[in-house]
Amino acid sequence: DAKTTQPPSMDCAEGRAANLPCNHSTISGNEYVYWYRQIHSQGPQYIIHGLKNNETNEMASLIITEDRKSSTLILPHATLRDTAVYYCIAHAGGTSYGKLTFGQGTILTVHP
Amino acid sequence: GAVVSQHPSRVICKSGTSVKIECRSLDFQATTMFWYRQFPKQSLMLMATSNEGSKATYEQGVEKDKFLINHASLTLSTLTVTSAHPEDSSFYICSARDRNEKLFFGSGTQLSVL
Repeated sequence: DAKTTQPPSMDCAEGRAANLPCNHSTISGNEYVYWYRQIHSQGPQYIIHGLKNNETNEMASLIITEDRKSSTLILPHATLRDTAVYYCIAHAGGTSYGKLTFGQGTILTVHP
Repeated sequence: GAVVSQHPSRVICKSGTSVKIECRSLDFQATTMFWYRQFPKQSLMLMATSNEGSKATYEQGVEKDKFLINHASLTLSTLTVTSAHPEDSSFYICSARDRNEKLFFGSGTQLSVL
């Protein structure tokens, strides 16, 4: 997996959009960008993934730059329950999908 | 949605004893499961890959004789921490991959060795 760099922590006001950046400048052409989050003392939860196009689902939006060297996870209306550690992972998937390399992630704190 | 059940959620044991942690895929068949370990305030570290019907593949630095993995069926993988010591105290998490290559994580097991 290519190395990813994320800010160690971010704050967001409840109801506002949370924009979490991730740098993956050495990402390979066959690597997807995955986002997971981990709420304290629980297993990681899948959020979204993409290859080069922007993606949106019921949880979040993923914006990937044209050169694919960075991406931003957007939680459009953050709630207190979105407080968690967010991990950005560059991973090739395929038959090796699942051997994920977790970095330190971003601790997102949503405050009232 | 697909669910991975991990049991127990918390276990306390004496030093020198063995502890078994179960990881079950409840509504899908998981040919491959993964075991991670997470120390306090650190990130998840992959320990091993468990394939149904074959020996597990361990990551560098993980002792296979200490962390025994069995994946005897398509819905169950077990991790046994043998002769546990206080330094083995950690949060252990499993994940399972389904046939559509989607990945689901268990809720984790907090192991405390006294």
